[in-house]
Amino acid sequence: DVKVTQSSRYLVKRTGEKVFLECVQDMDHENMFWYRQDPGLGLRLIYFSYDVKMKEKGDIPEGYSVSREKKERFSLILESASTNQTSMYLCASSLWLASYEQYFGPGTRLTVT
Amino acid sequence: QKEVEQNSGPLSVPEGAIASLNCTYSDRGSQSFFWYRQYSGKSPELIMFIYSNGDKEDGRFTAQLNKASQYVSLLIRDSQPSDSATYLCAPTGFQKLVFGTGTRLLVSP
Repeated sequence: DVKVTQSSRYLVKRTGEKVFLECVQDMDHENMFWYRQDPGLGLRLIYFSYDVKMKEKGDIPEGYSVSREKKERFSLILESASTNQTSMYLCASSLWLASYEQYFGPGTRLTVT
Repeated sequence: QKEVEQNSGPLSVPEGAIASLNCTYSDRGSQSFFWYRQYSGKSPELIMFIYSNGDKEDGRFTAQLNKASQYVSLLIRDSQPSDSATYLCAPTGFQKLVFGTGTRLLVSP
């Protein structure tokens, strides 16, 4: 079974802090993704990566950056957290193309106060 | 027009009934279609995918695809209370999946 893990289930940060969200997958998947999920807005793609050190912007990249130094690990960085970044953050991975079936981690509920 | 349209629900069905979940999409280039189930407070889990027009059955689940009408549906036969969740439709887009906001299904005992 594919296993995608995320570093924290719940996180509370203050406005202006730099926030790191970590994601690790154990199935040698090429592609990894970061989404945020908000009520009424569904899942929105922030960034994805199709290879080590490669990244592509998704639909809402503003205020975020990512890092993929190793194939199994994909990090989401909030350079200066703001209250409108309070959300559920979900990491996913897929074997081949970005449009192939994706497997999700458990999510991180981030609250920025 | 949204890229993916789903009725937010809730769709309420009694235990044992057939639940029918519908999804329309705008990108005629979409080739594959995925259905995810998401329990409250949990992450989405893949339950089915379909590539070709017609029906695809997997246990109590049947996915139906009509590319000409840009319509995909998920039927759940013999619905169980444990099927109560939000169901997300996700057609493929360029380099990514495009998720609908989901339909909430409630199955009452």
